[in-house]
Amino acid sequence: SQQGEEDPQALSIQEGENATMNCSYKTSINNLQWYRQNSGRGLVHLILIRSNEREKHSGRLRVTLDTSKKSSSLLITASRAADTASYFCATDSGSARQLTFGSGTQLTVLP
Amino acid sequence: DAGITQSPRHKVTETGTPVTLRCHQTENHRYMYWYRQDPGHGLRLIHYSYGVKDTDKGEVSDGYSVSRSKTEDFLLTLESATSSQTSVYFCASGGDSVTDTQYFGPGTRLTVL
Repeated sequence: SQQGEEDPQALSIQEGENATMNCSYKTSINNLQWYRQNSGRGLVHLILIRSNEREKHSGRLRVTLDTSKKSSSLLITASRAADTASYFCATDSGSARQLTFGSGTQLTVLP
Repeated sequence: DAGITQSPRHKVTETGTPVTLRCHQTENHRYMYWYRQDPGHGLRLIHYSYGVKDTDKGEVSDGYSVSRSKTEDFLLTLESATSSQTSVYFCASGGDSVTDTQYFGPGTRLTVL
């Protein structure tokens, strides 16, 4: 079963706009990670946020974590056509020794 | 994808045949993983390894076996391939903890006819 679920499933925006995607999960976590997957490629790690952190930045990426709501959001600012990809959240369930990935948000940035 | 390679990248096989997929990493990572990716399901963990000869099952391990005889190599075997195992398979490796950052290979597209 999937621990993380992304929302929306698909998002289409114009270049220069901000893109926000959300991840909800069910059980307590130690950390939450976001990954990007370009078409036909493997996943690439973007950012990791620990359960005791509320916000983290990396370049044009901003991740928030609300453990009381069991949710996280990924914000990409000033999006570019090259940001077109699928974005996945991944959580560890604390007790299980593995990451669980959501089904992803497909982001399309139109030039 | 740097540091992790998978072979073959594409394979077409027939139902009932054995298939072995190979993953090789040059990062000296302790952990290695095999996932499958199917539309609507995201990535699902098949098996993982936390050291040479140390492996454990993931969410969808039925019909699959793995072996790790060296730190850098992790093999996934389908003993008797079925059409339901048609998928894209990704290998990943990671560091000191199972929940650390994972680094993914480019994937193997397997079609079972």
